[in-house]
Amino acid sequence: DVVMTQTPVSLSVSLGGQVSISCRSSQSLVHNNGNTYLSWYLQKPGQSPQLLIYKVSNRFSGISDRFSGSGSGTDFTLKISRVEPDDLGVYYCGQGTQYPWTFGGGTKLELK
Amino acid sequence: EVQLVESGGGLVQPGRSLKLSCVASGFTFSNYGMNWIRQAPGKGLEWVAYISSGSSYIYYAETVKGRFTISRDNAKNTLYLQMTSLRSEDTALYYCARHVLGAGAYWGQGTLVTVSS
Repeated sequence: DVVMTQTPVSLSVSLGGQVSISCRSSQSLVHNNGNTYLSWYLQKPGQSPQLLIYKVSNRFSGISDRFSGSGSGTDFTLKISRVEPDDLGVYYCGQGTQYPWTFGGGTKLELK
Repeated sequence: EVQLVESGGGLVQPGRSLKLSCVASGFTFSNYGMNWIRQAPGKGLEWVAYISSGSSYIYYAETVKGRFTISRDNAKNTLYLQMTSLRSEDTALYYCARHVLGAGAYWGQGTLVTVSS
C-alpha cells in the first residue's frame, strides 16, 4: 500500500497569514494513464471532509483561489494564503492512483 | 444539489452484522463510482471499499476483505455496505463518497457504527 506522510501534524497561523502543508508518498503517484491522483481535503470541526484540490493542483468546484496545490511524483504541497477563520480544521492529503486509497495522518490548522 | 445520506449505523455486538445504506440525490447516480470511507473516533480517514458505476469493479481494504460487501442499486440511487463478523476495530463513522477523478468529491454526513458488547 502507498503510505502518505503529512507534515507538520499541527500548525498555528494568524488570520491573514500563509501556511504550507507537505505530503509525501512512499511511491510515485503517477498513474499508468499519466495522471497523478493526489487530493487535499479539509475536515472542519464536526463536519464531513470536503474536497479542496484534486489531481495535485485542480481546485474543486467553489473552492477559493486562496488554496493552491503543487508537486509531482512523491512530493506535494498545499498552500493556503490569507487564512480566514473558516479555514481552520484538519487537512488530509489522499491518493487515488491505486487501490487501496490511502490518506495522510492529517494536519490540524489552528489560530495562533 | 448533490446529497448523500447514510443510514443503518448503530450499536452492535462483536461478531454480528449490520447493513449500511447511502441514498444519493442531485446527480445521476448510475454514472459514478462510489466509495465507503470510515473514520474511527478521533482518528484519520480510512478507505474501506469502492464500486464502479455498473458494479463491474469492486475493491476492498485488506482490513475488511471477506467480511464486508459493497453493492449498489442504481434504480434506487442507493449504495450499500453489508458488514459481517464485526470487530471492535470496525467502530467508526462511515461515510459514502462519490468518486470523481481519483478523489472523494462529495461526502455524506456519515453514520456511526459502534461495535461493543
